[in-house]
Amino acid sequence: DTGVSQNPRHKITKRGQNVTFRCDPISEHNRLYWYRQTLGQGPEFLTYFQNEAQLEKSRLLSDRFSAERPKGSFSTLEIQRTEQGDSAMYLCASSLAEKGQRGLFGEGSRLTVL
Amino acid sequence: GEDVEQSLFLSVREGDSSVINCTYTDSSSTYLYWYKQEPGAGLQLLTYIFSNMDMKQDQRLTVLLNKKDKHLSLRIADTQTGDSAIYFCAETGGRTYKYIFGTGTRLKVLA
Repeated sequence: DTGVSQNPRHKITKRGQNVTFRCDPISEHNRLYWYRQTLGQGPEFLTYFQNEAQLEKSRLLSDRFSAERPKGSFSTLEIQRTEQGDSAMYLCASSLAEKGQRGLFGEGSRLTVL
Repeated sequence: GEDVEQSLFLSVREGDSSVINCTYTDSSSTYLYWYKQEPGAGLQLLTYIFSNMDMKQDQRLTVLLNKKDKHLSLRIADTQTGDSAIYFCAETGGRTYKYIFGTGTRLKVLA
């Protein structure tokens, strides 16, 4: 078990470009979550999946954001037409529903939009 | 709505005990968690407690839950400089499986 893996760890992009982040959860975990964290704040919920179904999306997830988990394993979070306000750490977590919901987080992907 | 609140800062001397407090509003929470975050890193799950428990001990960590007052605390015994970090309280369960986080408590351990 190598833990939750996220890549890239850092991404610097120009405003208006598209970016994609990938999350590989712990293999037997059926729930996968995306969070956003800005400096000095706690993580804010974006969306979560149970297997391949996206069950909940936050109002923070504007139409420029899309998340997928096509085969119930890894997930991608795409941000289109990035804005400076999108600069943040994007955190992925996974959990096994039957095991006390213990969410384990990856190291995050830090996005800087210039 | 769902809300989790924590004090922002705590400073203790090495070897003392630290107590970090958290209050939450969702009375239907089923699990409550403590996470630790070091600079530039992700969140590390320290411990969690099921809502029908009032205490859980794990080595230097003691979690106390007062469900009536919706108050959760984390006590770290014999605090070390390596414990300096931001500690987040989180809850889940109830109507949703998402984790709701507090704003975090920055613990500074003085040598």
